[in-house]
Amino acid sequence: QKEVEQNSGPLSVPEGAIASLNCTYSDRGSQSFFWYRQYSGKSPELIMSIYSNGDKEDGRFTAQLNKASQYVSLLIRDSQPSDSATYLCAVGDYGGATNKLIFGTGTLLAVQP
Amino acid sequence: DAGVTQSPTHLIKTRGQQVTLRCSPKSGHDTVSWYQQALGQGPQFIFQYYEEEERQRGNFPDRFSGHQFPNYSSELNVNALLLGDSALYLCASSLYGENYGYTFGSGTRLTVV
Repeated sequence: QKEVEQNSGPLSVPEGAIASLNCTYSDRGSQSFFWYRQYSGKSPELIMSIYSNGDKEDGRFTAQLNKASQYVSLLIRDSQPSDSATYLCAVGDYGGATNKLIFGTGTLLAVQP
Repeated sequence: DAGVTQSPTHLIKTRGQQVTLRCSPKSGHDTVSWYQQALGQGPQFIFQYYEEEERQRGNFPDRFSGHQFPNYSSELNVNALLLGDSALYLCASSLYGENYGYTFGSGTRLTVV
């Protein structure tokens, strides 16, 4: 059973601070990793994807991947109240006929003005 | 370019009834995946359709069934509804075999009473 683990939070950070969200996964062979943002009552929105070890930056967002430690993180710089949402980590499960995403339970981020 | 569209937006059904949810994929996509997201949980994979066939199925009972039409749109059917089927049902479209994160539709909120 492939699993993705996240701390459910809530993670509370002041406006302007860096928010750090973490995720671990069980399948050492995983190759694709994604971060989704989900506002209350809405569907998940893809914000970052990462496939190689290291950092990937997109605006205020940085995804970090360490395959040896089976660890993915998302950093949000200059956090804004509008960043308050649940952040879902997802791992691609691809192989043969398999083509799906395995999600963690999400981390609730609260940015305090 | 329309993204993934789902209908209806909200639905209230009585325990034991049957429900059909609908999804139109993004233009150019040929594969539709369905996910169930219970409150406070991450999305769980139900099944995936490609070329009008179910290609893979998650850990869901046979009460959950689906269909894909020649125009790539899809339906999710749930029979003998249980209270525990109350959830946000998400549809995602993609190109078969592509190794990237999905874009989800806005979802259908099903409440079973």
